[in-house]
This record gives sequence, structure tokens and C-alpha cells, in this order.
Amino acid sequence: SQQGEEDPQALSIQEGENATMNCSYKTSINNLQWYRQNSGRGLVHLILIRSNEREKHSGRLRVTLDTSKKSSSLLITASRAADTASYFCATAISGNTPLVFGKGTRLSVIA
Amino acid sequence: DTGVSQNPRHKITKRGQNVTFRCDPISEHNRLYWYRQTLGQGPEFLTYFQNEAQLEKSRLLSDRFSAERPKGSFSTLEIQRTEQGDSAMYLCASSLDQGGQPQHFGDGTRLSIL
Repeated sequence: SQQGEEDPQALSIQEGENATMNCSYKTSINNLQWYRQNSGRGLVHLILIRSNEREKHSGRLRVTLDTSKKSSSLLITASRAADTASYFCATAISGNTPLVFGKGTRLSVIA
Repeated sequence: DTGVSQNPRHKITKRGQNVTFRCDPISEHNRLYWYRQTLGQGPEFLTYFQNEAQLEKSRLLSDRFSAERPKGSFSTLEIQRTEQGDSAMYLCASSLDQGGQPQHFGDGTRLSIL
């Protein structure tokens, strides 16, 4: 079963705008990870945030984690057409247990 | 390229046939995971290995499915007596064995059952 729920399911924005995707989960976690998937390809790891962290940055990506609300958000700033992909959050209940993925957000960035 | 490699990329077979997929992980990664992904859904965990030991199997993994990692390097996933519902993308990932490591995914094997 899937623990995470991403919101929105689909998002369409203009190039240069910011994109925000949210993820909610159900159980206590050790870490939460965000992945990107281009059509027909595997998943690419973006950011891992541990349960004792509240915010992490990587380039144009910013991830927040609120364990009290069991939610996370992924912000992509100054989006580009190449950011068009599906984005998934995934949770791990302990260090290296298998990940539990949400259904993903399909992001379309229009040039 | 030293990423995770999966073969074949596509497999089309008739219902009832057996299929086998192969995954070559990143060489220094002890952990290897198999996931299944259907259209519009996120990946769902099937099974994982630490070195050659299979540590966990999902309830999704019926007795028609078997996975091996004989020497702790590459892994194979076999599906016997395939059914229509087995049509999916089968993804392999690998990671280091330390706590909280990202998983590195291959491009998957897309299975289509006729």
C-alpha cells in the first residue's frame, strides 16, 4: 500500500515560475526522500531529509518536513522546461528499509 | 556509465510464459531492491537483498515470483506463469548499507503480457 499522498496530482506552470508540491504520510519515519521520474525512465534521487531536520536545500530545490503534521513540501524555484517530470515522495520507517512511495505529482513546465 | 543497469528494457510475452529480468547494481552497493510500478502510480516494493541475503518480501510477491542475488552482485527476478496483471514496469534500485542512504534506480524493465 502507498503511504504518501502527493498534492496536487498534476501541476502546470510557466517557465520561470515556482512549483510547490506537497506530500503527506501516515506513520513515523526515519527519513523522507523526493525523486523525479521522466517518462519511461527510472527514478532520480533529488533530496533526502531526516526526521530531525526541518529544511534542506539543493540548488533550485527546497524541501521542508513537518513531522508533527506528517507532511513535506518540495519547492522548485525558477522552473525550466527540463523540470517537466513526475515527482514522488518516499518514506522510510528506519534507516535503510524499503521506501514507500506516493502516487506522485505530474509537473508540466511550459516554455 | 556505472549506474544501475537493467535488462531487458522491454519484454513482451504471452500469458502463461515465464520471464526473467536482470539487474546489475552499482558495484559497491550492498543493498538491492525490486519495485513494481503501474501507470499513474508510484513504485511499490517487492523485495530486497543485503548482499546475497533476501531480507524482506512484500505480500505483493506471490509464489509465482522469485528473486535471487546469488553472489551478492547482480540480481534476477523471475515471474512464472505470467498473468495479465503482471504487466508493469519492474524497477531495480541499489544503495549503500549505511543508515538513510538514497536509492539509485535503473531505467526498469517494461513487461507487457499479451
